[in-house]
Amino acid sequence: GAVVSQHPSRVICKSGTSVKIECRSLDFQATTMFWYRQFPKQSLMLMATSNEGSKATYEQGVEKDKFLINHASLTLSTLTVTSAHPEDSSFYICSALPGTGREAFFGQGTRLTVV
Amino acid sequence: AQTVTQSQPEMSVQEAETVTLSCTYDTSESDYYLFWYKQPPSRQMILVIRQEAYKQQNATENRFSVNFQKAAKSFSLKISDSQLGDAAMYFCAYSPYEGFQGGSEKLVFGKGTKLTVNP
Repeated sequence: GAVVSQHPSRVICKSGTSVKIECRSLDFQATTMFWYRQFPKQSLMLMATSNEGSKATYEQGVEKDKFLINHASLTLSTLTVTSAHPEDSSFYICSALPGTGREAFFGQGTRLTVV
Repeated sequence: AQTVTQSQPEMSVQEAETVTLSCTYDTSESDYYLFWYKQPPSRQMILVIRQEAYKQQNATENRFSVNFQKAAKSFSLKISDSQLGDAAMYFCAYSPYEGFQGGSEKLVFGKGTKLTVNP
């Protein structure tokens, strides 16, 4: 199947700083990418949908100013957690949908720990 | 809003035996997609099987098959000849029908079932 690379896989940052997570489709062009958050032993919750070249669409309850999403190219979307706080600590997963496909492919996830 | 319910937080099965994981969902739509994803300890989400709601035939993928009951809004996963590598969290997911693009748009996940396979 297609490969989606997420980087970094783990990151620890200090409270108040910002951290950027990258999601890349390595062998296909992704017109749409999705960002999910997964709390320990819980399900994945969709945070936002990003389409290349346009603003992301955020789900209800997700702070747009805290979770900045940029989808500048057909192979790269980034999630920036701004002014991170300990409660932002979580597992973040992206998925990418090929332009002509019906299946989205997931990255390996990023474990964010805010101390 | 659509919801997905997995009523079994944990299940266990003996190696080589068969196990069924339950999933129910709620939607007012008539066209949609349903999925089972596997999340092993590596946390990588892996698609196990997909079902289009307009298809009456149950999807199968090797040892994995589903029992799709549209009227009952039920979508169970059967794993036959269980293997140690099947041990993982299994998530049932729903996606609305998006016309040409089809499934895997906005996924709504259940809370998952942790499957243990005993040797």
